[in-house]
Amino acid sequence: KAGVTQTPRYLIKTRGQQVTLSCSPISGHRSVSWYQQTPGQGLQFLFEYFSETQRNKGNFPGRFSGRQFSNSRSEMNVSTLELGDSALYLCASSSDGLRETQYFGPGTRLLVL
Amino acid sequence: GDSVTQMEGPVTLSEEAFLTINCTYTATGYPSLFWYVQYPGEGLQLLLKATKADDKGSNKGFEATYRKETTSFHLEKGSVQVSDSAVYFCALYSGGGADGLTFGKGTHLIIQP
Repeated sequence: KAGVTQTPRYLIKTRGQQVTLSCSPISGHRSVSWYQQTPGQGLQFLFEYFSETQRNKGNFPGRFSGRQFSNSRSEMNVSTLELGDSALYLCASSSDGLRETQYFGPGTRLLVL
Repeated sequence: GDSVTQMEGPVTLSEEAFLTINCTYTATGYPSLFWYVQYPGEGLQLLLKATKADDKGSNKGFEATYRKETTSFHLEKGSVQVSDSAVYFCALYSGGGADGLTFGKGTHLIIQP
């Protein structure tokens, strides 16, 4: 079974721009969750989607949004980028939700200049 | 909200030493508890988990017991190997909302031959 894939792997943007990150889950998995990883804050939960519906949302500003498509692929969008948004963005998939084993992708490293 | 506390390290041990990485948590209800591991150059992966009090999760010689009375989930291994060098994350899920899957800051473990 193919693992979780994320594209792009690396991204450089400037302040004020917006960015869209993509995540393809393991086939058959309906839950996709997103995390921001930084040296200072560690791993922080952004949101979880299940069958195209946002089921949980972390404490991030509204600039961070996401969606899930009918094939379970998910996208995350960050608008009006700030320097502090520089981070590794991880997505994870599971069969049924956050209480199950999460399978993580390699991440997208975003640098905001 | 939910929180997880673990030593950040780095923790440096000699090969064949006994390992303990402490993890304590604050959560509502009855959370599920996890240890995830990130080997150098690889993605985050589940090491073990426990879903109710007194459960013991085990994998690859690692063990952790869900202690509700002390709100702890300490990771132990009797004899570590160089290949165990990695970053270890304790995590919990208590049922959703803004907390989602909550991670500790991670413990960087270095095993010297």
